[in-house]
Amino acid sequence: QKEVEQDPGPLSVPEGAIVSLNCTYSNSAFQYFMWYRQYSRKGPELLMYTYSSGNKEDGRFTAQVDKSSKYISLFIRDSQPSDSATYLCAMTSREGGSEKLVFGKGTKLTVNP
Amino acid sequence: NAGVTQTPKFRVLKTGQSMTLLCAQDMNHEYMYWYRQDPGMGLRLIHYSVGEGTTAKGEVPDGYNVSRLKKQNFLLGLESAAPSQTSVYFCASGRGSYNSPLHFGNGTRLTVT
Repeated sequence: QKEVEQDPGPLSVPEGAIVSLNCTYSNSAFQYFMWYRQYSRKGPELLMYTYSSGNKEDGRFTAQVDKSSKYISLFIRDSQPSDSATYLCAMTSREGGSEKLVFGKGTKLTVNP
Repeated sequence: NAGVTQTPKFRVLKTGQSMTLLCAQDMNHEYMYWYRQDPGMGLRLIHYSVGEGTTAKGEVPDGYNVSRLKKQNFLLGLESAAPSQTSVYFCASGRGSYNSPLHFGNGTRLTVT
């Protein structure tokens, strides 16, 4: 089983839709969870991060972590064409003095006007 | 601030040729990374550095070498390019703690024919 699984999509939605992007993970040592957004022909940029289980909101974006189910989500409300990008989840752990960062493979999202 | 700058942006090589990709960051970050990104494979770590003068292997180091002679620069070398090294290469930098995000450059698109 891969440490982090992310549905690659592609996902195509109409403007204004609510989008749900998800990742599952197998390593319970992961503590810090991030979402990166990558526009076409650009590098990934950090969108949101969270430490704990529960929800974190930032404008139209909500990051949700369920550590008991090893499942994280990113919700986008009132999606816009400018949200069209690839979204990568990422998570880090600190075990035995070493740190590990693992990325999901990314989900490509297209928001149609 | 420029952030993370990668040069060149594009390059076409013939099999067996060599080249060096340059990454420069102006954020005084200790940690620097080289990733490659391929369709369906996500981001894969090639090599990384935890400080000036140090380097370490990542997930897919074969066929690549790196050097970190100055804190702000991280070079990725291909001594004898192969078609399997056709990819988009991303450099990233960070403070190195497990809860600090990575800052990415905009990539170098390399084609080996």
